[in-house]
Amino acid sequence: DIQMTQSPSSLSASVGDRVTITCRASQTISSYLNWFQQKPGKAPKLLIYAASNLQGGVPSRFSASGSGTDFTLTISSLQPEDFATYYCQQSYSAPITFGQGTRLQIK
Amino acid sequence: QVQLQESGPGLVKPSQTLSLTCTVSGGSISSGGYYWNWIRQHPRKGLEWIGYIYDSGSTYYNPSLKSRGTISVDTSKNQFSLKLTSVTAADTAVYYCARETRYSGYDAIDYWGQGSLVTVSS
Repeated sequence: DIQMTQSPSSLSASVGDRVTITCRASQTISSYLNWFQQKPGKAPKLLIYAASNLQGGVPSRFSASGSGTDFTLTISSLQPEDFATYYCQQSYSAPITFGQGTRLQIK
Repeated sequence: QVQLQESGPGLVKPSQTLSLTCTVSGGSISSGGYYWNWIRQHPRKGLEWIGYIYDSGSTYYNPSLKSRGTISVDTSKNQFSLKLTSVTAADTAVYYCARETRYSGYDAIDYWGQGSLVTVSS
């Protein structure tokens, strides 16, 4: 199985801050990397697919990049509704695997 | 707008079989080109992929389930289902059904059900 490792595991930031979350795959996965946002009690929501493509309806303050084994998700200016847990997920090979999550909290 | 909704017992006894159904609305499950997934999330933990069924009826399961899982589809009801045998407390989780779509050659899970909490306890 491909292991996905996110850092940091948790992060405190303020509204308006720029934050970056990283995700590393245990082997190369090309651009088969997706990012999700999950709020408490809710299902995950797709933000980014294929490493850098913004899903429809997702605000442009979200961006992502990377290929191979190293990927990043950036939120350019945090809004109150962005405080949530973020997961990366590889779709390169089955079994699909997710990172352990990054909890973004209000400072 | 595609919607998915899980249904099934919220409490299952140890060693018994967990059964969940996902009803798809706003689109046909037999329209082709999608993977229909089951994913679970243990309390306060991360996400674990269980398996999928492809529109042709092909299935793939996470080896971590040790062959306990079965996913099937009922196109007449626009539903797909999960059965997980010989459950233990470690199978207590929120179970999500989800649709995976291919975007220009890359797969992404774009629609999720709201989740169904299943507790394994006697």
